Amino acid sequence: AQSVAQPEDQVNVAEGNPLTVKCTYSVSGNPYLFWYVQYPNRGLQFLLKYITGDNLVKGSYGFEAEFNKSQTSFHLKKPSALVSDSALYFCAVRGTSGYSTLTFGKGTMLLVSP
Amino acid sequence: DAGITQSPRHKVTETGTPVTLRCHQTENHRYMYWYRQDPGHGLRLIHYSYGVKDTDKGEVSDGYSVSRSKTEDFLLTLESATSSQTSVYFCAISRDPAYEQYFGPGTRLTVT
Repeated sequence: AQSVAQPEDQVNVAEGNPLTVKCTYSVSGNPYLFWYVQYPNRGLQFLLKYITGDNLVKGSYGFEAEFNKSQTSFHLKKPSALVSDSALYFCAVRGTSGYSTLTFGKGTMLLVSP
Repeated sequence: DAGITQSPRHKVTETGTPVTLRCHQTENHRYMYWYRQDPGHGLRLIHYSYGVKDTDKGEVSDGYSVSRSKTEDFLLTLESATSSQTSVYFCAISRDPAYEQYFGPGTRLTVT
């Protein structure tokens, strides 16, 4: 069975500082990895994905994520946080075979203070 | 937002009553999904569809059924609602299972 772990329920960072939201995964074979963001009372918005290729993936709003196969990790990063980045972030994984579906982590709340 | 709407957006119902939630898309995507979101659990897949009349169960399908008679509509039915089904329900669509999913605005369901 596939799974995702987001070890931090909440991450606090000051505006202008770099941010990292951690994600590790477990899946059979090669993974497809995704990050989503959820603002209050909204649906999830797609940020970025890793399918294959370059381990550093760039996405929306200045976010990027680094795929590390040996550590089975896909951490979300941004060089300089904004107060408007405060939201709930979800990592998700699926395998590459058949009708494998997405498995989401429990989410990490990012709070960026002015 | 992608062309996905959910109705109703809010509903309060009593235990034991049937409830149907509707997801409508204008993107002509083949795959559609129903999730529930609960604090401490993230999103969990209830059912999904990979084409008209083609559906399959997800992680938490007990107590739920789905139907898809047209590409654009995916219905989620709670045959007899229970308090444990109080949740926020999200519909999502994707062109292909390997592609990103796009989410609707959600339906907040309260079962009293």
